[in-house]
Amino acid sequence: QKEVEQNSGPLSVPEGAIASLNCTYSDRGSQSFFWYRQYSGKSPELIMFIYSNGDKEDGRFTAQLNKASQYVSLLIRDSQPSDSATYLCAVKSGGSYIPTFGRGTSLIVHP
Amino acid sequence: DGGITQSPKYLFRKEGQNVTLSCEQNLNHDAMYWYRQDPGQGLRLIYYSQIVNDFQKGDIAEGYSVSREKKESFPLTVTSAQKNPTAFYLCASSIRQENYGYTFGSGTRLTVV
Repeated sequence: QKEVEQNSGPLSVPEGAIASLNCTYSDRGSQSFFWYRQYSGKSPELIMFIYSNGDKEDGRFTAQLNKASQYVSLLIRDSQPSDSATYLCAVKSGGSYIPTFGRGTSLIVHP
Repeated sequence: DGGITQSPKYLFRKEGQNVTLSCEQNLNHDAMYWYRQDPGQGLRLIYYSQIVNDFQKGDIAEGYSVSREKKESFPLTVTSAQKNPTAFYLCASSIRQENYGYTFGSGTRLTVV
């Protein structure tokens, strides 16, 4: 059974701080890793993907992947109240087109 | 603009009634998926289709049916056999590559009345 674990939160950070969201996975054969943002009552939106060890940066977002330790993180720099949402981690195994989703971490950025 | 459209946005079902949720995409994606989302449960896969005229059961297919007669369309029918259908239903599409994520529709919120 492939598992993707996320702390449900809520994670509360002040405006302007760095928010750090973590995700661990059980399948060592996992190859591709995705972060989706889901605002309350809305559908998920893909914001980052990563498949190589190390960091990948896109604007205020940085994804960090450590395959040896089986975790992937999402850092949000200069957090804004508009970043308040649930962040879903999704992991694909090698040869699979269907990801396993975590249950998501709720982030609250307070002014 | 390319995208994926779900309709209706809200749907009310009476006991014993079948209802059909629409999902249409113009992204030229081969693969389409249906998920159900309940509070605190995350996304659960109902059915998926990697190619026209072919589809596979996901983790919670009982009480649901689908068809894939056209590349653009993947409707989901919630049958009367589904005893607890109240949920947020999400349709997604993707190209068939490992390093490619989903595009989601805006969702249909189904309530049993």
